[in-house]
Amino acid sequence: LAKTTQPISMDSYEGQEVNITCSHNNIATNDYITWYQQFPSQGPRFIIQGYKTKVTNEVASLFIPADRKSSTLSLPRVSLSDTAVYYCLVDTYSSASKIIFGSGTRLSIRP
Amino acid sequence: DAGITQSPRYKITETGRQVTLMCHQTWSHSYMFWYRQDLGHGLRLIYYSAAADITDKGEVPDGYVVSRSKTENFPLTLESATRSQTSVYFCASSESETGGETQYFGPGTRLLVL
Repeated sequence: LAKTTQPISMDSYEGQEVNITCSHNNIATNDYITWYQQFPSQGPRFIIQGYKTKVTNEVASLFIPADRKSSTLSLPRVSLSDTAVYYCLVDTYSSASKIIFGSGTRLSIRP
Repeated sequence: DAGITQSPRYKITETGRQVTLMCHQTWSHSYMFWYRQDLGHGLRLIYYSAAADITDKGEVPDGYVVSRSKTENFPLTLESATRSQTSVYFCASSESETGGETQYFGPGTRLLVL
């Protein structure tokens, strides 16, 4: 099982860059790395996904080293609205029963 | 309105009763999933379905039954509800059979078993 490990919580301030690292030592060749964001009383929402190297979209960047045993979600210039729980997910649907969401990282942004 | 919907949004039931949570998606996605999220914890996969009439167990399937007679619907039934099944239940769908596709989540159903 490609279990993930993330920090339980992080604090930052508005305007700062926030990096959340996820460890996934047992990642398999076919696994992708996906990050989700969850606000209270809502379902998770997709942020970004990658397989290797770097991926960037309009809200975040994802850095994946060559060994793929970890990944880092980077949120540039965070605002109060980025306060949420962030989940790192490693999965492939060839083994969908093994999809595991960890406990996530609770990110708190302060003014 | 297109998307993924769940009903009911809130449900209170008693121990031993049967409860069915509904999930409907309008995208014709192949994959659908049911998760439970307990207070202060991450999501745990209960069951998933790769297509109509194809379902399989996730991490915590005991006490739950699913069916998928139509692509767009994926109901989750608690045959005899227990207090330990008090949780928030999320349904999700995903387009492709290949690895790495985004999951789209519904708004959740809050279930309280007394």
